Amino acid sequence: GQSLEQPSEVTAVEGAIVQINCTYQTSGFYGLSWYQQHDGGAPTFLSYNALDGLEETGRFSSFLSRSDSYGYLLLQELQMKDSASYFCAYQGGKLIFGQGTELSVKP
Amino acid sequence: DVKVTQSSRYLVKRTGEKVFLECVQDMDHENMFWYRQDPGLGLRLIYFSYDVKMKEKGDIPEGYSVSREKKERFSLILESASTNQTSMYLCASSSPGQGRGTEAFFGQGTRLTVV
Repeated sequence: GQSLEQPSEVTAVEGAIVQINCTYQTSGFYGLSWYQQHDGGAPTFLSYNALDGLEETGRFSSFLSRSDSYGYLLLQELQMKDSASYFCAYQGGKLIFGQGTELSVKP
Repeated sequence: DVKVTQSSRYLVKRTGEKVFLECVQDMDHENMFWYRQDPGLGLRLIYFSYDVKMKEKGDIPEGYSVSREKKERFSLILESASTNQTSMYLCASSSPGQGRGTEAFFGQGTRLTVV
């Protein structure tokens, strides 16, 4: 089966950089996605890594290492509006999510 | 604008009732998903459909069934609702393939309470 592990919560201050890690155990792996969900809202897509390396989208970057079954989401120049839950998701036909990391950004 | 629409935002049903949750997407996506979301447990996949009339079980299919008679519509059915099925239900759709094309789009969710 598939499983993904990520920390349950992370706290950081405005302007800082935070990294949310995700390790996975799966087979038939296509890639790793990241989603953001604000309280009361629907998850929204942030990024996708099919190949090893770093993908950058503005303040957000995502990294994948297939050999280590590991990825991370890097958020730079944190803003209060980044307070949300972040999910890594295994992409392989089905779309399987980790349990989510609740990020709290403090002033 | 891309849209996934779930038929109800809030629903209250009685134990033992048959419950239908409807989801419609307007993006001509092949893939559609049903998840339930509970605090601390993330999004758990109930069922997945990759084409009309095709379905695959997810991680927690017990007590649920699905129907996909048309490409744009994916229905989740609770055969006999129980209190442990009280949850937020999220529908999503995506197209198959690689890269950003695999982005899943979510509906706003249906908060179901079974009493």
